[in-house]
Amino acid sequence: AQSVAQPEDQVNVAEGNPLTVKCTYSVSGNPYLFWYVQYPNRGLQFLLKYITGDNLVKGSYGFEAEFNKSQTSFHLKKPSALVSDSALYFCAVRRYGGSQGNLIFGKGTKLSVKP
Amino acid sequence: DGGITQSPKYLFRKEGQNVTLSCEQNLNHDAMYWYRQDPGQGLRLIYYSQIVNDFQKGDIAEGYSVSREKKESFPLTVTSAQKNPTAFYLCASTAGDITEAFFGQGTRLTVV
Repeated sequence: AQSVAQPEDQVNVAEGNPLTVKCTYSVSGNPYLFWYVQYPNRGLQFLLKYITGDNLVKGSYGFEAEFNKSQTSFHLKKPSALVSDSALYFCAVRRYGGSQGNLIFGKGTKLSVKP
Repeated sequence: DGGITQSPKYLFRKEGQNVTLSCEQNLNHDAMYWYRQDPGQGLRLIYYSQIVNDFQKGDIAEGYSVSREKKESFPLTVTSAQKNPTAFYLCASTAGDITEAFFGQGTRLTVV
């Protein structure tokens, strides 16, 4: 079965420290992977995606993600966290066998950055 | 500016009542989606549409219905058959297979 797992419900980080939000996936074929961020009572905003090419993908707001095929992971990272990064983060993978762009989402990880 | 507009932002439904959530996009995207978000459960796909006059059930379609009469519009009706409709509903669209999805700001539906 195709799936996405975000093993941590919440990640707590001090401002200025590096942050990592973990994501692992299970799909048939080559994965198309995405990260989104959601602020309270708002829609999702796109951060970055991996389709092919370099395993390190750079995205919006200083975020980056590393694709690791052997570990089937796509962890989101940022070298120095900001209080304003506090939000809910979703990892997603394109579903094979469905419509174009049809995504499977993880359950989300709440990031809390303390001053 | 291009984007997706969902309305209303907040909606209250009485028991046994049907309600319709609006989703309009001016991005010229072919594919549109409806997701339901519940705390701790991520996003679950309700319905999706790849072209006008065609749509497919997602993972949790029971108690919901949609239409796609225009490319720009993909309204979702929450029927009285949906026994637990209280949730945050998100509409999205995509331009293609490997492009990112654009999301609306969501509608929070509450049963009163």
